[in-house]
Amino acid sequence: SAVISQKPSRDICQRGTSLTIQCQVDSQVTMMFWYRQQPGQSLTLIATANQGSEATYESGFVIDKFPISRPNLTFSTLTVSNMSPEDSSIYLCSVVQGGGMNTEAFFGQGTRLTVV
Amino acid sequence: GENVEQHPSTLSVQEGDSAVIKCTYSDSASNYFPWYKQELGKGPQLIIDIRSNVGEKKDQRIAVTLNKTAKHFSLHITETQPEDSAVYFCAAPYSYTGKLIFGQGTTLQVKP
Repeated sequence: SAVISQKPSRDICQRGTSLTIQCQVDSQVTMMFWYRQQPGQSLTLIATANQGSEATYESGFVIDKFPISRPNLTFSTLTVSNMSPEDSSIYLCSVVQGGGMNTEAFFGQGTRLTVV
Repeated sequence: GENVEQHPSTLSVQEGDSAVIKCTYSDSASNYFPWYKQELGKGPQLIIDIRSNVGEKKDQRIAVTLNKTAKHFSLHITETQPEDSAVYFCAAPYSYTGKLIFGQGTTLQVKP
């Protein structure tokens, strides 16, 4: 299984500032995703991080608010921009290995963000 | 698109009893159904998954069943222990994209 490292594990930020979260995988993966988990809620997909091209965002999420980079097959960053208290959530990086009947999806430990 | 419903939202059992969590999905093309356990302050951990070409899979005290016709799958935990207490999520993919849609989560409490 893939080992995923996320940094930082937690942060407390002032409103109006931005935070960049890093996701490092121990092997090359084709598919990487970013999810948000609001307090007491389930996980919601923010975007697919595409290597070498712009990320693909889900409905309700935009690039200006959540810019994503994916410079290679083992690394991605998610920036939460111009933060407000409503952005307080856990942000999770996920990778998918295999495909079809061999698909497996794994998650990092998450970044717990509190905006004050 | 895919829609996943999970029940119950909370479940309390006595240590040693069994726990069952059920999920339904809408996309008949989905072929991969993982279950995740999330402990406080941690990310979701994959505990078991099932593919659409089998109806049941077991791993020690944990089993998952899949009914493709009815489009539902269930997590079964036998001989529950206090350390099984956590939030459990089911998920199903958007067809072959790798993107996962998650159920709402079940908070399992195992009382000693």
